[in-house]
Amino acid sequence: GEDVEQSLFLSVREGDSSVINCTYTDSSSTYLYWYKQEPGAGLQLLTYIFSNMDMKQDQRLTVLLNKKDKHLSLRIADTQTGDSAIYFCAESLYSSASKIIFGSGTRLSIRP
Amino acid sequence: NAGVTQTPKFRVLKTGQSMTLLCAQDMNHEYMYWYRQDPGMGLRLIHYSVGEGTTAKGEVPDGYNVSRLKKQNFLLGLESAAPSQTSVYFCASSYRSGTGSNEQFFGPGTRLTVL
Repeated sequence: GEDVEQSLFLSVREGDSSVINCTYTDSSSTYLYWYKQEPGAGLQLLTYIFSNMDMKQDQRLTVLLNKKDKHLSLRIADTQTGDSAIYFCAESLYSSASKIIFGSGTRLSIRP
Repeated sequence: NAGVTQTPKFRVLKTGQSMTLLCAQDMNHEYMYWYRQDPGMGLRLIHYSVGEGTTAKGEVPDGYNVSRLKKQNFLLGLESAAPSQTSVYFCASSYRSGTGSNEQFFGPGTRLTVL
C-alpha cells in the first residue's frame, strides 16, 4: 500500500545545515512535496519536485530525490531559529491525482 | 483573499453531542479535503470532494459525514462525538490537478476536545 515514513525528531545547531529524510513505498508517485507546519498553524507548501527530477534548489532549500531507493530529502542550509517547525513529506500518486499521502512529520528544533 | 478559513477554532464537546465544522475557501478551488492530525500520526484524510455536490471517503471516514453543497464550502459533521475524535482538524483545498502538482492550501485548524 501507500506509505510515507519520516523520523519524528531532528535537532541541529543554529547556522548548520539540516537534512530531513523521507522514504515512500509507491513507485507511481508523480509529485513529492515538503510542507512546513509552524506551531498552532496549518501546513504550508515549502517546495515540491516532479518525479522525473533528481534535484531542485530554491534559495536555502535543496530537495534530492532518489527514485531507485524511493528516498526524498530536504536540506535547509544555514538553519535559523525561524526554521523550527514540523516538516511533512508527502506524495501524490498517478492513480489518484486528487489525493496526497502525508508522512507523520519531522519536528526540527534548533540549538543555539 | 482570505484563503482557507475554518470555523470554529476551538470546541469542547461532551460524548454523544453533535457538531459541524465549516471550511470555506475563496480561491475557486475544485478539490477540498478534511484531515485530522494526531500526535505522531501525521495527517489522515477523513473525506474529500472533487467538486460541488460530490464527496468521497478517505482513510478514516467512520463517525464523520461531509457535504459540499456549494463549491466554496465543505462541511464536516460529527453526529455523535466520541473521545477518540479528540484531534486537530484541518481543511485544505487545491486546484483541479490534471497533470500538474496538487498543491494543497490549508486552513488554520480546529482543535476539538471530546470529554
